[in-house]
Amino acid sequence: NAGVTQTPKFQVLKTGQSMTLQCAQDMNHEYMSWYRQDPGMGLRLIHYSVGAGITDQGEVPNGYNVSRSTTEDFPLRLLSAAPSQTSVYFCASVRQGENEQFFGPGTRLTVL
Amino acid sequence: KQEVTQIPAALSVPEGENLVLNCSFTDSAIYNLQWFRQDPGKGLTSLLLIQSSQREQTSGRLNASLDKSSGRSTLYIAASQPGDSATYLCAPRDSGYALNFGKGTSLLVTP
Repeated sequence: NAGVTQTPKFQVLKTGQSMTLQCAQDMNHEYMSWYRQDPGMGLRLIHYSVGAGITDQGEVPNGYNVSRSTTEDFPLRLLSAAPSQTSVYFCASVRQGENEQFFGPGTRLTVL
Repeated sequence: KQEVTQIPAALSVPEGENLVLNCSFTDSAIYNLQWFRQDPGKGLTSLLLIQSSQREQTSGRLNASLDKSSGRSTLYIAASQPGDSATYLCAPRDSGYALNFGKGTSLLVTP
């Protein structure tokens, strides 16, 4: 198993550009989520999904869109990037009914 | 909203010491609590998970305890080694699957 994978590892955007951060897992986990990590703050939940076709907002959803068309993939879209979205983004997954959550290696995003 | 506090924010110890990292949370209605390790520039590695019905969990030199009613968890590291240097994150989980993170304790173990 590759576990939770994220691409790209690093990305630099200009203000107003759009992009998609990719997240995939090969463990058949129903629950997937996106967090952002900023200096001096704990990880904060952006969006999550309990299964294909079902998504919901977390603590800091503004400026981000998600969709879940398959169990394996959970992409995070920035429609119009802003400097406030400069952060490290982590994807996580867990099988429903189980407890241990697994995190991807992260994507470091800089918005100029 | 669950607030998670980790004390100390940073810790520097000589190799071989036993140490305790503290985590407190405001809402005791948690489902479980997970401790993670994060190396600089890397992702999160799960260390221990304690169910809300458990009091402690052990893995090698690591022992985590949970006092749900008082909103506290501790991570005990025995005989610390330079390879233990990392940031340690505490994350109680609520009734859904969302994790609530503290800011972490940055640990440096010197040879």
